[in-house]
Amino acid sequence: QKEVEQDPGPLSVPEGAIVSLNCTYSNSAFQYFMWYRQYSRKGPELLMYTYSSGNKEDGRFTAQVDKSSKYISLFIRDSQPSDSATYLCAMSADSSASKIIFGSGTRLSIRP
Amino acid sequence: DAGVTQSPTHLIKTRGQQVTLRCSPKSGHDTVSWYQQALGQGPQFIFQYYEEEERQRGNFPDRFSGHQFPNYSSELNVNALLLGDSALYLCASRAGTEIASYFGPGTRLTVT
Repeated sequence: QKEVEQDPGPLSVPEGAIVSLNCTYSNSAFQYFMWYRQYSRKGPELLMYTYSSGNKEDGRFTAQVDKSSKYISLFIRDSQPSDSATYLCAMSADSSASKIIFGSGTRLSIRP
Repeated sequence: DAGVTQSPTHLIKTRGQQVTLRCSPKSGHDTVSWYQQALGQGPQFIFQYYEEEERQRGNFPDRFSGHQFPNYSSELNVNALLLGDSALYLCASRAGTEIASYFGPGTRLTVT
């Protein structure tokens, strides 16, 4: 069993829809939770990170962490075609978030 | 301000050969990590360098080795290449006191 599980998709939604991306994990030691966006043939780009449980909002993006359920989510409001990419959840157990464990990524397509 | 840069962009090698990949961290960053990303998968942590020493290592064989120079740039060396080493190799950097890691565009290695 992988430490971090993520539905690979692909997920296709119309422009303007709310997108929900999710990951589950098994290691209760994870304390930093991150979401990266990766466009084709590019390196991952950090969208946001949270520490421990709770919600964090940044513009159209909201990250949620539920440590009791070992479940994290990323919501994208008013989705745009430019949001089409692969979204990777990532986690770290060490205090400096040095060693990052990634999910396999969800491929998202926003239809105009 | 240049972000993380990596060279070369693409590389084709033959089984059994050796390869060296290079990374220059983002300005102000002193910690460099290397990741391997197979097609359709999330990045996997190889190792991290700080103060010219390997600080953490993932589940990779000794064929994978690295180095960090006094200017914080880093090299990843892979010996005795296998077909399974074909992947996108990503370098990530961060400042010692920060949580966020920033990724470069990667080097795509093909082993034939």
